[in-house]
Amino acid sequence: QVQLVESGGGVVQPGRSLRLSCAASGFDFSTYGMHWVRQAPGKGPEWVGVIWSDGHNKFYTDSVKGRFTISRDNSKNTLDLQMNSLRAEDTAVYYCARERGPWNGFDIWGQGTVVTVSS
Amino acid sequence: QSALTQPPSASGSPGQSVTISCTGTSSDVGGYNYVSWYQQHPGKAPKFMIYEVSKRPSGVPDRFSGSRSGNTASLTVSGLQAEDEADYYCSSYAGSNTWVFGGGTKLTVL
Repeated sequence: QVQLVESGGGVVQPGRSLRLSCAASGFDFSTYGMHWVRQAPGKGPEWVGVIWSDGHNKFYTDSVKGRFTISRDNSKNTLDLQMNSLRAEDTAVYYCARERGPWNGFDIWGQGTVVTVSS
Repeated sequence: QSALTQPPSASGSPGQSVTISCTGTSSDVGGYNYVSWYQQHPGKAPKFMIYEVSKRPSGVPDRFSGSRSGNTASLTVSGLQAEDEADYYCSSYAGSNTWVFGGGTKLTVL
């Protein structure tokens, strides 16, 4: 079935790095834009960034620009989020999500992976 | 990239209807037909409920409907059922390949 599974979360000190991964299955991964969305404890979701289906274009929310990088490997059906210079305010559940169609919402979500930035 | 505004809570009795609002600007909700809604139960990932303002994905009951007037989108849940108790979030495309979410509304079925 159509599925996204995130991994790589954990506890990390401020200023350090962490890499999240998302494994896709059950659909033609190479034809979909893919997003990262995060949700801090008790808060609404926050869009983090998107990578287009061909991997050539990437866009980010202002608060992570220059620190986070999204990449994908269409041969392995995987999506990654490299997070550098982590801050306490990056603490959240991180979800990967499939874009239904250009600009058209997030129809498939993973179960999420927890990132805690704390000393 | 300011968050969309939703009421923090809403409630209704079983069988009743409830409407949740989502207010943005002409740069997001009012400017694009790409408003979507999500249902989230505690400890679970969000579930895709409405897209393109008012369309339902397959498998979503027709008790859920979406609409928009100007810069405000709305989600209506008719014939409330106990399992509808959850948090609901709106989202909109905001131009320049960015998206924005609402702060969420906790729906309580009395």
